[in-house]
Amino acid sequence: QKEVEQNSGPLSVPEGAIASLNCTYSDRVSQSFFWYRQYSGKSPELIMSIYSNGDKEDGRFTAQLNKASQYVSLLIRDSQPSDSATYLCAVNIVGDSDMRFGAGTRLTVKP
Amino acid sequence: DARVTQTPRHKVTEMGQEVTMRCQPILGHNTVFWYRQTMMQGLELLAYFRNRAPLDDSGMPKDRFSAEMPDATLATLKIQPSEPRDSAVYFCASASTGNIQYFGAGTRLSVL
Repeated sequence: QKEVEQNSGPLSVPEGAIASLNCTYSDRVSQSFFWYRQYSGKSPELIMSIYSNGDKEDGRFTAQLNKASQYVSLLIRDSQPSDSATYLCAVNIVGDSDMRFGAGTRLTVKP
Repeated sequence: DARVTQTPRHKVTEMGQEVTMRCQPILGHNTVFWYRQTMMQGLELLAYFRNRAPLDDSGMPKDRFSAEMPDATLATLKIQPSEPRDSAVYFCASASTGNIQYFGAGTRLSVL
């Protein structure tokens, strides 16, 4: 079983809709959770981090964490074509050591 | 300008040649990571250093790959000899202890 799992997609949503990206992780001691966005041919860039259960909102982005279910999600409201990218979920497994990445979900927002 | 700098951005080489990739982490960051990304495997951690000491290189093929950090401003990843299956994008990332990783632009390697 992979440590961090994501649906590879592609996920396609119309412009203005809510895009919902999901991620599950296997290690119960995971402490920190991140969403990175990667445009084609570019490097991953951090868009959200979340450390405690519940929701965290930043503009059109909301990260949701449920440690009991070992589940973290990213909601993108009012999706724009510029949101089309691959979204990588990352989990810090043990303390401050290396971060484990999911395979990424490719999102396409259609005008 | 606080960013991770990687060189070269692109490298095309022939099988059997040595390849050296370089990374300058963000000033003040004490942890440096090397990743490889392919369509098939996604983002794979190859090795990482903290305070210049290698902490984990279990993701790296030891027979041909080597990673070093000769000083706090330079990390290197070498492949010798290179093989076509090494073709990928290699990312370097840096972080302060326990904090967010910031990625460089990557080195796109093609081994013919």
